[in-house]
Amino acid sequence: GQQLNQSPQSMFIQEGEDVSMNCTSSSIFNTWLWYKQDPGEGPVLLIALYKAGELTSNGRLTAQFGITRKDSFLNISASIPSDVGIYFCAGNAGGTSYGKLTFGQGTILTVHP
Amino acid sequence: EAQVTQNPRYLITVTGKKLTVTCSQNMNHEYMSWYRQDPGLGLRQIYYSMNVEVTDKGDVPEGYKVSRKEKRNFPLILESPSPNQTSLYFCASSLFDGNQPQHFGDGTRLSIL
Repeated sequence: GQQLNQSPQSMFIQEGEDVSMNCTSSSIFNTWLWYKQDPGEGPVLLIALYKAGELTSNGRLTAQFGITRKDSFLNISASIPSDVGIYFCAGNAGGTSYGKLTFGQGTILTVHP
Repeated sequence: EAQVTQNPRYLITVTGKKLTVTCSQNMNHEYMSWYRQDPGLGLRQIYYSMNVEVTDKGDVPEGYKVSRKEKRNFPLILESPSPNQTSLYFCASSLFDGNQPQHFGDGTRLSIL
């Protein structure tokens, strides 16, 4: 099946620093989604991207849908301790695969106060 | 409150003993899906359902069954569980398909001895 490579696998940063993570795909996606998972809970949607080149913000979070439709990135500005968690990218190829969602391996974010 | 409810939250059982994990959503969503989460692998889709009586395989369907007799319920069935199915399982739903943001349950941790 399709694969998503998400990097970095983990990040240890100081409070106030900016964070950047990205996902690349071996094939084209029509939709990119970014989720955050807190310990003991299910993932929660952060940002949804539906058009190549689209740049979308949600508070301190900004995500972009790559022009090639094979990548996406997520930036977090001025990190705070509650940003700790696992961040996942996910993609949907549309067409006959519009029911399938492929996830990246996740980026574990640790923020030191 | 809009939610996806999974039961049980935790289960320890033995190889070969059939088990069912229930999933129910109260948002009148058409689409439902099951994922398993393993360290370093992110979330992998097991099965999904676009509507009542319509189910399709995800990326890792072997050893699992599902049914969608009613819109709100999407149980995951392990007919003969094996230790390699020890994992954290998530059910999710969205309005229409995998292209849209999904609401996740809080997860079911299964241990197969």
